[in-house]
Amino acid sequence: DGGITQSPKYLFRKEGQNVTLSCEQNLNHDAMYWYRQDPGQGLRLIYYSQIVNDFQKGDIAEGYSVSREKKESFPLTVTSAQKNPTAFYLCASSMAGFYGYTFGSGTRLTVV
Amino acid sequence: GNSVTQMEGPVTLSEEAFLTINCTYTATGYPSLFWYVQYPGEGLQLLLKATKADDKGSNKGFEATYRKETTSFHLEKGSVQVSDSAVYFCALSVMEYGNKLVFGAGTILRVKS
Repeated sequence: DGGITQSPKYLFRKEGQNVTLSCEQNLNHDAMYWYRQDPGQGLRLIYYSQIVNDFQKGDIAEGYSVSREKKESFPLTVTSAQKNPTAFYLCASSMAGFYGYTFGSGTRLTVV
Repeated sequence: GNSVTQMEGPVTLSEEAFLTINCTYTATGYPSLFWYVQYPGEGLQLLLKATKADDKGSNKGFEATYRKETTSFHLEKGSVQVSDSAVYFCALSVMEYGNKLVFGAGTILRVKS
C-alpha cells in the first residue's frame, strides 16, 4: 500500500545535539512538506520541496535544515540553533494540483 | 493574504447530537477548501474537500458546502459518535500560493456517551 512513513515515532535528544527525522513516501508525489505542531496549536510550515534537489523555507525555517536528493525522501534536521525544538513534527506529500496532502503519522521530538 | 479562521474549542457534545464547526477564510485567489481530522497521537487525514463554489464535500456522515458569498466552509454532521472525538482542521489552498495548504488553528471535538 502507498503512503508516507515517518520514523521514529518518538525521539529523545539532549539539548545542543542535532537530530534528523526521516520521511519517506511511495506515492510518487512530487511535493513534500514539513510541519511543526505544538500542543493546542495549528500547523506551521517549516520547509517544503516541489521537486527533487529544490526546496524553500516556510514560515518557521530558522534552526532547521532539509535535503531532497530523491523524490521519495525528505529528511528534516533539527539543529542546535532551534531554540525550542520539542514538538510534534508532521511530514506530508502531494500531487500537483488541488488534491490536498497525504500526511505521515508524525514524530514526537522531546529535547531534554 | 491567505488565512483560515475556525471556531474555538473544545466543542463538547453528547452522542447523537448535531455538530457544526464553523470555518471562514480569506484568499488572494480562488481557493480549494479542505477538512482534515487528527486522532490523538496521529497525523492528519483528509476528511472531505471542495474545489469550487457551491460544491458539497461529504465523507463518513460529515458534510461541508463551499459558500463563496460568505467565504465559509462549515463542517456538519447530523449525529456524532464517541469515535468522532478528534481535532478538526479547516484548510485552503490557492494556485497563487503554490497550492500549499494554509491551516486553521484546529477545533477539538469531544463526544460523551
